Amino acid sequence: KQEVTQIPAALSVPEGENLVLNCSFTDSAIYNLQWFRQDPGKGLTSLLLIQSSQREQTSGRLNASLDKSSGRSTLYIAASQPGDSATYLCAVPGSARQLTFGSGTQLTVLP
Amino acid sequence: DTEVTQTPKHLVMGMTNKKSLKCEQHMGHRAMYWYKQKAKKPPELMFVYSYEKLSINESVPSRFSPECPNSSLLNLHLHALQPEDSALYLCASSQGSFLEPKGYHGYTFGSGTRLTVV
Repeated sequence: KQEVTQIPAALSVPEGENLVLNCSFTDSAIYNLQWFRQDPGKGLTSLLLIQSSQREQTSGRLNASLDKSSGRSTLYIAASQPGDSATYLCAVPGSARQLTFGSGTQLTVLP
Repeated sequence: DTEVTQTPKHLVMGMTNKKSLKCEQHMGHRAMYWYKQKAKKPPELMFVYSYEKLSINESVPSRFSPECPNSSLLNLHLHALQPEDSALYLCASSQGSFLEPKGYHGYTFGSGTRLTVV
C-alpha cells in the first residue's frame, strides 16, 4: 500500500527566502505526482503535475522535481511571499485513480 | 471551463435531515471523486466514479449515498448523519486514463462544501 510522507509538517520563514518542501513515497511505481496548495477552509488548487517520465516541472516561482528511484519529490519556492502562506500537499494516484496524500506542510511566510 | 463547481458552499443540517451535495464539471473528465477532509488532516477518499460507474467505495457508511446521473454531475446524498460527519467535503475530477492522447492533466478539485451536523 502506497504511503506518502511530507517533511516538515510546518515551516515558518521570513519573506524573500527560498525554501524546499519534501515529499516521499514508498512505492516507486507511480504514474505521476501532483502538488497542491490549500488555503484554510478552501479546496485544493493544483500547482504542478509531474509525469513519471519527467524529472521536473516549473511554474513561475515554483519548481517541482521527481526522483522515482529514491521515492522523493521536492517543491522549491523561490523568493517566498506572505501570499504563499498555505498548506502544501503532495499526492500520488493508485491504479484505480485514487489519490494518496501526504499529511501536508503548513507554510507561513512572515512579512 | 476548467473548474469543478460544488454547491452549496456551506450546509448545516440536523441529524434527522436529508440533504444532497452537488458537484459539476464540464472538462470532459470521466472520473469523479468524493473526498472528506477533517481539520488539519489530508483529504480521505470516499468514492470513485469511473465512466459513471462506482468503482471504489472506501467502506463509507450507508448514510452517505453517491450518485452519478451523467458524466458531468456527481451527487452525495446525506441522511441521518452524525455530528462526527461534520467536515469539508471535496469533489474532484480527472481524465479517465493516465494515457490520454492529448496529455494527462491531473486532478481538479472543487472549493468544497463545509458541512456541519447539529
